[in-house]
Amino acid sequence: QLRLQESGPGLVKPSETLSLTCIVSGGSISTTASYWAWTRQAPGKGLEWIGTFRYNDKTYYEASLNSRVAISVDTSQNRFSLNLYSLTAADTATYYCSGGAGGGLVWGQGAQVTVSS
Amino acid sequence: QAVVTQEPSLTVSPGGTVTLTCGSSTGAVTSGLFPYWLQQKPGQAPRTLIFDTSIKHSWTPGRFSGSLLGGRAALTLSGAQPEDEADYYCLLYYSGTWVFGAGTKVTVL
Repeated sequence: QLRLQESGPGLVKPSETLSLTCIVSGGSISTTASYWAWTRQAPGKGLEWIGTFRYNDKTYYEASLNSRVAISVDTSQNRFSLNLYSLTAADTATYYCSGGAGGGLVWGQGAQVTVSS
Repeated sequence: QAVVTQEPSLTVSPGGTVTLTCGSSTGAVTSGLFPYWLQQKPGQAPRTLIFDTSIKHSWTPGRFSGSLLGGRAALTLSGAQPEDEADYYCLLYYSGTWVFGAGTKVTVL
């Protein structure tokens, strides 16, 4: 069964870069037509899509974050990562990775990130 | 950018039936937007209940079903249980980009 697990720092300073990793188990990140995404949720707010890497396709980003975000994939380690640059307090949120193939979508447990000096 | 709309809140009696809907600012919601329905309980990660309009994950209780209804995606909960009290999010796929609705808070009371 597909499982995803986020890892990364819980506290990051303003203007710095957030780096999160999602480790995928129970399935291959290289599966044809698979998709691997990052979503975040600010405290008390709804879900906000950040971006999706579609295997054998391209990476798509939320327009408002496009200049500050990058998703990369490490097929040898079966994991994918999020880099979010130039952080502000507004980036404080729980960050979720999710993914799947053939339509299904499995979520990680989330990584809480606070941006503060 | 498209805006996805959901009812802010709904209340259902235990054992009752409730239908949540999901609309798109671009027009009718069709199967081509691959509607997803997610459930999120307080303090927990989201969990996908429905994908591609009406397909259930293995963990999705049988009382949940997805459909298209009057140009909107719909999630119907039949025989509501106390544990179904949660936030429900609709997710639509627009040619590579995802857009979430603001969520519907369902109260079982």
